[in-house]
Amino acid sequence: DADVTQTPRNRITKTGKRIMLECSQTKGHDRMYWYRQDPGLGLRLIYYSFDVKDINKGEISDGYSVSRQAQAKFSLSLESAIPNQTALYFCATSDFDGVNHGYTFGSGTRLTVV
Amino acid sequence: QKEVEQNSGPLSVPEGAIASLNCTYSDRGSQSFFWYRQYSGKSPELIMFIYSNGDKEDGRFTAQLNKASQYVSLLIRDSQPSDSATYLCAVRDNQGGKLIFGQGTELSVKP
Repeated sequence: DADVTQTPRNRITKTGKRIMLECSQTKGHDRMYWYRQDPGLGLRLIYYSFDVKDINKGEISDGYSVSRQAQAKFSLSLESAIPNQTALYFCATSDFDGVNHGYTFGSGTRLTVV
Repeated sequence: QKEVEQNSGPLSVPEGAIASLNCTYSDRGSQSFFWYRQYSGKSPELIMFIYSNGDKEDGRFTAQLNKASQYVSLLIRDSQPSDSATYLCAVRDNQGGKLIFGQGTELSVKP
């Protein structure tokens, strides 16, 4: 099993629908992150969580919300999806000392909003 | 807004050549720097990290850091077609520890 699992892998949804992307990890890491990737724009941080009770907005949090249900689970919701939220979404984890080890990424969720 | 800048490319090199990928960052207090490789449609994978000025070598990869110039680079020696991918530079935010990514450089190694 993968260390960081994202579901679903692919999703097509309609404008205005609510959608949840899920992430679970077996790394035992406290820190979890949600990024989106658009062509030519690299990875941009949506939300991050340093522990179950600590949730922080990233640079592009508008239109998104998150829930940290447990140390191992971090979900991203789009309350009312819009076409410019079409992107590749990655969940990542790190331990506290992420200095030397960077992040562990999930396989990504490709979301299309039509 | 703290920034990490990379040339988006594509950078094209012949097989066996040295590929040089560059990255600049705006936060002078940054201490940790990472290079990730990402194949099309796949997740990024960590290939190098560096936090001291100078060079760090791992096989065919060398990371170079110059904090005074706020510049980090990645050299790939004896480039192979399998090295064709997008390379992401990331800098650890000094205020909280999250990573800030550049936009990535697409590398194409031609046989």
